[in-house]
Amino acid sequence: QQQVKQSPQSLIVQKGGISIINCAYENTAFDYFPWYQQFPGKGPALLIAIRPDVSEKKEGRFTISFNKSAKQFSLHIMDSQPGDSATYFCAASKSSNTGKLIFGQGTTLQVKP
Amino acid sequence: DAGVTQSPTHLIKTRGQQVTLRCSPKSGHDTVSWYQQALGQGPQFIFQYYEEEERQRGNFPDRFSGHQFPNYSSEPNVNALLLGDSALYLCASTWDRGGGDTQYFGPGTRLTVL
Repeated sequence: QQQVKQSPQSLIVQKGGISIINCAYENTAFDYFPWYQQFPGKGPALLIAIRPDVSEKKEGRFTISFNKSAKQFSLHIMDSQPGDSATYFCAASKSSNTGKLIFGQGTTLQVKP
Repeated sequence: DAGVTQSPTHLIKTRGQQVTLRCSPKSGHDTVSWYQQALGQGPQFIFQYYEEEERQRGNFPDRFSGHQFPNYSSEPNVNALLLGDSALYLCASTWDRGGGDTQYFGPGTRLTVL
């Protein structure tokens, strides 16, 4: 059973554009939702994370939008740059189950110059 | 401040062999989790170690086992390797008393089973 579904599988955006990646979760007990960025040959790096008590969190060009009722959250990358080209993973976990992250399948983002 | 370190970078084994991976957590972290990432997939949780014991386990057979040492480093073992065990093995660390949510990943060990 896939508990976190991510879409799209791949995304191509022009430089300066907005990249949007979506995730949906099933388990209402999840209360921590991070996004990770992974470059080829590297481990995932934490980008930004949100908890269900807020509907949006912004850090620089990266914004998470969270919709608790729809059990969905999304990552928006504003002013996308070629250096943002990477694979992005959403994840979810329960505070009571510290450390067990359930990951989405990943989105490969290509930002064209 | 050193981040999460893993060794070796790459490993090539044959079916039926055993492999041991190594991870040193980020300074100040006491909890180590292991994930398996197949090519083109998201990481899947294998198990987590805290206070030198396995605290949680994902849906992996008991061919996957491991240890955590007093210095918080961790060494998982995979016995009777199968072709399907070929993957990137990721170690992630966190500080349990700090909430434990934010996990930092190492660069991974690429295991190829022939």
